[in-house]
Order: sequence, then C-alpha cells, then structure tokens
Amino acid sequence: DVVMTQSPLSPPVTLGQPASISCRSSQSLAHSDGNTYLNWFQQRPGQPPRRLIYKVSNRDSGVPDRLSGSGSGTDFTLKISRVEAEDVGVYYCMQGTHWPYTFGQGTKLEIK
Amino acid sequence: EAQLVESGGGLVQPGGSLRLSCAASGFTFSSYWMHWVRQAPGKGLVWVSRINNGGGYTTYADSVKGRFTISRDNAKNTLYLEMNSLRAEDTGVYYCASEVFAYENYWGQGTLVIVSS
Repeated sequence: DVVMTQSPLSPPVTLGQPASISCRSSQSLAHSDGNTYLNWFQQRPGQPPRRLIYKVSNRDSGVPDRLSGSGSGTDFTLKISRVEAEDVGVYYCMQGTHWPYTFGQGTKLEIK
Repeated sequence: EAQLVESGGGLVQPGGSLRLSCAASGFTFSSYWMHWVRQAPGKGLVWVSRINNGGGYTTYADSVKGRFTISRDNAKNTLYLEMNSLRAEDTGVYYCASEVFAYENYWGQGTLVIVSS
C-alpha cells in the first residue's frame, strides 16, 4: 500500500499567521491518465471528513481562498495563508492513484 | 441539498454480522462511484471498499476482503455494506462517501459499529 506521511503532526499555529502541512507519498501519485489523485480533508471533532482540495490544487466550493494546495509526484503541501478559528481540526491528505486509497496519519491544527 | 444517511450500526459479538445502509438524496446517485471508509475510535481514516456507479465493479481493503461485501441499489438510491465474521478491529465509525475525485463530494455522518463480547 502507498504510505502517506504528513508533517508536522501538531504544528503550533497563531491566529492570523500562516500554516503549512506537508504530505509525502511512498510512490509517485502521477497517474497514467495525466491526473494526480491527491486530496486534502478537514475533520472537526464529531464530524465526518470534509473535502477541501481535490486533485492537488482544486478548491472545493465554499473553501476560502486562504487555503491552497500544491505539489507533484510524491511531495504535496496544504497552505493556509492566515489561520482563522474555523481552521481548527485534523487535516488528512489522501491518495487515490493506487488502490487501496490511503490517508496520511492526520495533522491536528490547534490555535495556540 | 445532497445528503447521505448511514444506518445499521450497533453492538455485535465477534464473529457476528451486520448490514450497513447509506441512503442518498439530492444528487444523481447512479452517476457516482461510492465508497465506505471507517475510523476506529480516536484513530485515522481507512478506506474499506468502493463500487462503481453501475455496481458491477468492486474492490476491498485486504483487511476486509472475503468478509465484507459492498453493493448498491440505484433504484432505491442506497449503498450497502454487508459485514460478516466481524472482529474487534472492525470497531469504528463507518462513513459512506461519494466519489472523492468528482467535482462534488459528499459524506454521511457515519454509523458506529462496535464488535465486542
């Protein structure tokens, strides 16, 4: 299975400051069809996951443009330009290029 | 508004069986691949199974292969997960989700399965 490794696992963040989460895969996520199947999800306590970014850099409807995704191959990043209170939760990257789909271990975003 | 509602979870003894359902509304269910994802208490997300939009193609995580069966009834807009020979490690919240790489992606609120004697 493709191993997805996120870092950091619990970054210190301050309201109004930027934050960044790295996600590395054990195999390239570039698919032969030309797409790269890498998504980012946010999960708040007691809630299901919510997709934020799909196929590396496409923001979902309703996701603020403070959040952005980038990367290629095996290295991907989720960036928050200015952290707001609503950003708290656990963030997961996931790959869908190879079956079984796999998630990273999660990065817990807490406001200091 | 699109909605997925899971049901069928509960407490079951090791070796027992459960059938989960996921009722879809507000979107064209028959056009979407569908998935089951589970989350053990306090842990991360794990993919369990997927099924194509017509129901003729399915895949499973190795941990559930041969024990779980995913299926769908497009006439009833419902996704199913038949779970047999349940083990303690199958305990968790089970989410149904629509195709995660489509333009729109939907998740249910989840149903809790507890496997314990």
